[in-house]
Parts: sequence; structure tokens; C-alpha cells
Amino acid sequence: QQPVQSPQAVILREGEDAVINCSSSKALYSVHWYRQKHGEAPVFLMILLKGGEQKGHEKISASFNEKKQQSSLYLTASQLSYSGTYFCGTEIQKGTSYGKLTFGQGTILTVHP
Amino acid sequence: DAGVIQSPRHEVTEMGQEVTLRCKPISGHDYLFWYRQTMMRGLELLIYFNNNVPIDDSGMPEDRFSAKMPNASFSTLKIQPSEPRDSAVYFCASSGGLAGGPFGANVLTFGAGSRLTVL
Repeated sequence: QQPVQSPQAVILREGEDAVINCSSSKALYSVHWYRQKHGEAPVFLMILLKGGEQKGHEKISASFNEKKQQSSLYLTASQLSYSGTYFCGTEIQKGTSYGKLTFGQGTILTVHP
Repeated sequence: DAGVIQSPRHEVTEMGQEVTLRCKPISGHDYLFWYRQTMMRGLELLIYFNNNVPIDDSGMPEDRFSAKMPNASFSTLKIQPSEPRDSAVYFCASSGGLAGGPFGANVLTFGAGSRLTVL
């Protein structure tokens, strides 16, 4: 079942902050965040694992609420390069499939000068 | 490593023709995934392999679609016959392996994608 992302789209000015949410109806093992620029492949940003472990790029911040099966991606002091479509991908089972993700529908982030 | 390599990058074909998309995963990765991206359905998993063996093909839309992985460094996704509704961007991604990379074994690395247009 596809996770639900909100909002569907965000428009920011440089320097502003944004939060993108991802919610699942199933118990999750991990949540992944990817960013896709137009015409390009999705690129990994961060993984959050059940139990609290997080791995990702330094300037990326995110949280995972295991009780609510929700994750949030925090984009602070946005830059023009942050523009793109952000996807969360969820993984239900541990250790059975490395990277079998179900992706949300995406959140389009546009940053203006 | 050159990353996940896909070919062709763009394919335009006529309805009824056979289409073959190719993928070379990252060396050492033992999971390979085929995803399809459309505006309507987003990114959806078609099939994935572990150690060259198909594990789950429940996302393959119908019998016109088939995928193979004859060895650890090559996979194909074939559509025969193709239809206009197959038009999409097809991504191959790989993960896993003992090293796992800096962020762990279950992080996907995507190829650049193959944009398929069926007229």
C-alpha cells in the first residue's frame, strides 16, 4: 500500500524552511527519502530505521515516528538546488529484501530566488 | 564505480513492436530492481532479483512484460508486444552486497532511466 505524502507541492523563497510528511498505514521497518530533479534519476537523501538509526547526507534532517508510522523531512534555509520532487519510500520487512520500497506519490518543491 | 547503467536512454517505437531495456547494476550489489514511473501511478516496483534469481514479480503488469538476469552484471526488461500505455520511464536500481555502501545495504542506487514512448 502506497504511503501518503503531504503536501503535494511547496513553493518557497530561498532561505525559507519546509517540512514534507510521509504516512503509512502499515508497520514500517524503514523509511527512505529520495529527491528527483526533472529528467533525472531519484537520488538517495536519508534512511531512517526502526529503532532510531539514521543515515544520510549531512545537511538533511528527518524524523521517524514509529508509533504513528510517520516520517518527516526537514528542509531548512532552502537553496535553489533543493528544487525537485521528494519521494518517501517505505520498507516493511527487515532483512528480506534490501531496497524493496513502496514510494509515495511525491512532493514537488520549488525554490525561488 | 560508474553507477547503475541503463540503455537505451530513449526509445521510441510503434505499437506492437518488441522493446528490450538493459541494465548493468553496481558491481557487488546483489539486489536488482526494475521500477516504472508515470505521472498517474508514480514510481511502482515491477520486479526484483536477488543473486540473479527473480524474487517478486507481482508488479509486472501482464504477460507482455518479462525480465531476466542471466548474470550478476546484466538484466533485461522486455515488453512484447508494446502498447501506448507502456509509455513511461523505466528505472533500474541496485542495492545490497556485503559492503553495503556508506549508508547501508538497503539503499537504492538508481540508473538514469530509459524513457519509452510507444506510438
